[in-house]
Amino acid sequence: DAGVTQSPTHLIKTRGQHVTLRCSPISGHKSVSWYQQVLGQGPQFIFQYYEKEERGRGNFPDRFSARQFPNYSSELNVNALLLGDSALYLCASSLIGAGYNEQFFGPGTRLTVL
Amino acid sequence: GDSVTQMEGPVTLSEEACLTINCTYTATGYPSLFWYVQYPGEGLQLLLKATKADDKGSNKGFEATYRKETTSFHLEKGSVQVSDSAVYFCALNTPLVFGKGTRLSVIA
Repeated sequence: DAGVTQSPTHLIKTRGQHVTLRCSPISGHKSVSWYQQVLGQGPQFIFQYYEKEERGRGNFPDRFSARQFPNYSSELNVNALLLGDSALYLCASSLIGAGYNEQFFGPGTRLTVL
Repeated sequence: GDSVTQMEGPVTLSEEACLTINCTYTATGYPSLFWYVQYPGEGLQLLLKATKADDKGSNKGFEATYRKETTSFHLEKGSVQVSDSAVYFCALNTPLVFGKGTRLSVIA
C-alpha cells in the first residue's frame, strides 16, 4: 500500500514568491495535517483538515493557508515567502480527525527560500 | 500551552550500550505521549506510544513509561545497535507538539 506522498521533493524559491505544496494521504484516511520542521528543530503544527474543513490551526501567519479536496488530498500555500520559511514541510494523514489517531508522515518537501 | 522538553544531543554511544533519552512535558488534562524516530533521509515514523498514565509503550527493543507524577516519558533501550542511529522526537497529543529532537549516533 502506498504511504503518504508529497510533491515536490525539493523546491527553491526567492523572497516574495508564492509556493504550493501537495500531499496525498494514505487511502482511506480522511484527515491531513501539515507541519513545518526548521533545521535542527522539532516539527511545528500548521494546519489540520478533516472532511475538507479546517479543524485546527497552529501559530502561523495568514500567509499560510491550506485546503483539502474531495479526494482528501491537500495543498499548503505560502504567500510572500520569507527567508525564515525555509524548512522541511511534512504532511501527515490519519483515519479520523478527533482524539488520538496515529498520524503517518510523508517524506516531506524541502523548501529553500533565497 | 502544551510543551515538550527533551535532552539535547547529540548522543554518541558504542554498540550494545544502554540508552536513555529524557523527555518531560507540560500539558493540561491527560495527553497521549509518543516517541517518533527520523532515520537519515527518511520521514518521521512512530516508534511507540502511551495513551494513559502508567502505560508502557514498547517497540524494537525501545521502551517508555508514561509517568504522570513526574510528567515524564523517557525513552530507554538496553542495548543499542548501529542501525538505531537517528533523531528521536518526543511528542504529545493530537495535533502533535514535538520536542526539539535528540540525535543519536551509535558507533561499532
